[in-house]
Amino acid sequence: NAGVMQNPRHLVRRRGQEARLRCSPMKGHSHVYWYRQLPEEGLKFMVYLQKENIIDESGMPKERFSAEFPKEGPSILRIQQVVRGDSAAYFCASSPGTMNTEAFFGQGTRLTVV
Amino acid sequence: QQQVKQSPQSLIVQKGGISIINCAYENTAFDYFPWYQQFPGKGPALLIAIRPDVSEKKEGRFTISFNKSAKQFSLHIMDSQPGDSATYFCAARIVGTALIFGKGTTLSVSS
Repeated sequence: NAGVMQNPRHLVRRRGQEARLRCSPMKGHSHVYWYRQLPEEGLKFMVYLQKENIIDESGMPKERFSAEFPKEGPSILRIQQVVRGDSAAYFCASSPGTMNTEAFFGQGTRLTVV
Repeated sequence: QQQVKQSPQSLIVQKGGISIINCAYENTAFDYFPWYQQFPGKGPALLIAIRPDVSEKKEGRFTISFNKSAKQFSLHIMDSQPGDSATYFCAARIVGTALIFGKGTTLSVSS
């Protein structure tokens, strides 16, 4: 059973470009969470999704950021018109459901905006 | 009320010693308290977790102590080894919501 798969592992974008980060949850997991980690800081919650639904996006900036988890395929975190401050590690976690509490993380995507 | 406060920020322990990391919370609706371990360049890995109806949980050299009345929980690493050197995060969750993390503790175990 493969773990949470994130790609790409490293992404370099110029200011103003779009960044698209992908997350494939563990098999059987229908809940996905996105977190952002800055150097020397903790994991900041961004958005919580189930298949085709956004459950909680309270941690996501109102502009330029969006997330989806379609019926088929991976979850996507999209950052439009990236700025240098978007440079960070973005982690995705998945869990089987609401009542099953264990969440497992992917290896992250390290975004660098130049 | 949604915060989880973690201390210390960094910790140096000699090989064979006990590492202790503490976390405190305010929201009594939290019902699940996991600890994650993260090595540089890697994703956080679930280490051990506890629910508030239990005061202690032990898995190998790792123990969570939970004090419901004080709204505090801690991670104890017995017989700390250089391979335990990593960043440790406590977290808390209300059922149906996402995990809220502490800011992390960087542990260095000297040989």
